[in-house]
Amino acid sequence: KAGVTQTPRYLIKTRGQQVTLSCSPISGHRSVSWYQQTPGQGLQFLFEYFSETQRNKGNFPGRFSGRQFSNSRSEMNVSTLELGDSALYLCASRGGRSTDTQYFGPGTRLTVL
Amino acid sequence: TQLLEQSPQFLSIQEGENLTVYCNSSSVFSSLQWYRQEPGEGPVLLVTVVTGGEVKKLKRLTFQFGDARKDSSLHITAAQPGDTGLYLCAGARDAGKSTFGDGTTLTVKP
Repeated sequence: KAGVTQTPRYLIKTRGQQVTLSCSPISGHRSVSWYQQTPGQGLQFLFEYFSETQRNKGNFPGRFSGRQFSNSRSEMNVSTLELGDSALYLCASRGGRSTDTQYFGPGTRLTVL
Repeated sequence: TQLLEQSPQFLSIQEGENLTVYCNSSSVFSSLQWYRQEPGEGPVLLVTVVTGGEVKKLKRLTFQFGDARKDSSLHITAAQPGDTGLYLCAGARDAGKSTFGDGTTLTVKP
């Protein structure tokens, strides 16, 4: 089975722009979660989608949004980018026999200039 | 808020030494995962432990889940430079909710 894929792997944007990141989960997994990882804050939970519905949400401003499509692929959007949004954005999927275990993609490195 | 505390935060050892990383919480988890992450990459799953008192071995790595399912440990025997990385534990409780520790950065020097 193919793993979780994320595109693009690297992205450079400037303040005020918006960005969309994409995640394709493991085949058969219906849950997709997004995390932001920075050296100072560690892994911070953004939100989780399950069957096209947001099931859980972390403590991030409304500039961060997401959605999930009927094929379980998910996108995350960040509007009005700030310097502090520079981070590694990770997507994780879960499902199948072990619904607790999350499998991560390689991440998208976002740099905001 | 469910907290998962990892210790130590940083660990630098020589090749061949043994080490243990701890993951502690006051909350009970239905399962706990350990991951290893290399710079710029996503965390890679090492193991999932489910049963209280469970011990799992993965080559030189031994994982233990506490009897009360509130804590876990990762022991590495005869560490190698390839073991270098960030080790993360994650506790799962309700469906869709996982709590991550802040990680242990391990450096193994040749």
